[in-house]
Amino acid sequence: DAGVTQSPTHLIKTRGQQVTLRCSPKSGHDTVSWYQQALGQGPQFIFQYYEEEERQRGNFPDRFSGHQFPNYSSELNVNALLLGDSALYLCASSLAPISTDTQYFGPGTRLTVL
Amino acid sequence: QQPVQSPQAVILREGEDAVINCSSSKALYSVHWYRQKHGEAPVFLMILLKGGEQKGHEKISASFNEKKQQSSLYLTASQLSYSGTYFCGTSGQGAQKLVFGQGTRLTINP
Repeated sequence: DAGVTQSPTHLIKTRGQQVTLRCSPKSGHDTVSWYQQALGQGPQFIFQYYEEEERQRGNFPDRFSGHQFPNYSSELNVNALLLGDSALYLCASSLAPISTDTQYFGPGTRLTVL
Repeated sequence: QQPVQSPQAVILREGEDAVINCSSSKALYSVHWYRQKHGEAPVFLMILLKGGEQKGHEKISASFNEKKQQSSLYLTASQLSYSGTYFCGTSGQGAQKLVFGQGTRLTINP
């Protein structure tokens, strides 16, 4: 049973560029959440997708946007990259968007903005 | 508000016990515990739910004090593989958004 997968593994961009990160949820899961983890910090919630709609959003600017496809996979887009966007971006999937459900994390995409 | 974890770091010898605490200023509905090794994804350990239900799949125990809005993770007879950074993530009722603490770094030495 494949777990959560993310691509690419690493990415280097320059300030002002745009980036797209991809996530495939665990088999049977239809809810995808995205988190940003800065070095030495805990993950910070960006947003969650369920039934192809953004259901919840954390305290992130509109430069961060996403999408969920009919097969439940998801993309995270970040526009006008800033140096402070350098972080590990984690995708987590769950069976349903409820607080009692386990979220399983993927290996993450390490984004470096120069 | 971000939950506060304590201690920030702990160093043990193999076989010793450890307790990691997670405190929140907001009413909690669920507490999720994860362990993350350097360069890897957080791995699920346990969920504690308001009302006492506990879900997990490793030989790790935990408690959830609803009155104090606190949770504690108990690692007994620690093994080298327990090393890593432990995070608690908290959520309110109906909201799956997890708010994570700053982490507790656990080092187990032989």
